[in-house]
Amino acid sequence: DGGITQSPKYLFRKEGQNVTLSCEQNLNHDAMYWYRQDPGQGLRLIYYSQIVNDFQKGDIAEGYSVSREKKESFPLTVTSAQKNPTAFYLCASSIFGGTSGIEQFFGPGTRLTVL
Amino acid sequence: GQQLNQSPQSMFIQEGEDVSMNCTSSSIFNTWLWYKQDPGEGPVLLIALYKAGELTSNGRLTAQFGITRKDSFLNISASIPSDVGIYFCAGVILNFNKFYFGSGTKLNVKP
Repeated sequence: DGGITQSPKYLFRKEGQNVTLSCEQNLNHDAMYWYRQDPGQGLRLIYYSQIVNDFQKGDIAEGYSVSREKKESFPLTVTSAQKNPTAFYLCASSIFGGTSGIEQFFGPGTRLTVL
Repeated sequence: GQQLNQSPQSMFIQEGEDVSMNCTSSSIFNTWLWYKQDPGEGPVLLIALYKAGELTSNGRLTAQFGITRKDSFLNISASIPSDVGIYFCAGVILNFNKFYFGSGTKLNVKP
């Protein structure tokens, strides 16, 4: 069945290491997004992509990188330059839906802990 | 960026009570979305609103798109323990295909 998958669910890394979080969708959505969520807080946009081979920085892009080589996939790399990488990371995709609106759907998230 | 003010931040209610929460902004949005997030999971879309004044229901949930297009409301009737979670609103500006999220309302339901 259709949806957004993120892997792994839990990820542990040592400080100074780069790590890549996977996000795949089979919803045929054009746009994909990465958000960061810290405990007790809302969602902050890291990067988004509206089309293959194109992406834009969100509000907190420093220390992160992305690629969009395929419509279905939007991996996020957390680099060693990210000063506080421990967080819950959410991938999302969107489509224009309803009579005139747009809806966004989320994956299950990856909890990254940097030791 | 755009800011959405979501209130209340948290609520403690008794099972069976009705719940109301809202989001307001200084900006006009084309679409309002309401999500529920369980601990350690991704948010799940509950209701989508596309027109000013629109009132939409999903079971015990009812949401409204404010007439000014700067606010939205979510009501939950006859709450049950599984309603526990964090509820987020999101406003969408279509031209930019960007989503702006409230900080969430944490709902606690006492059996």
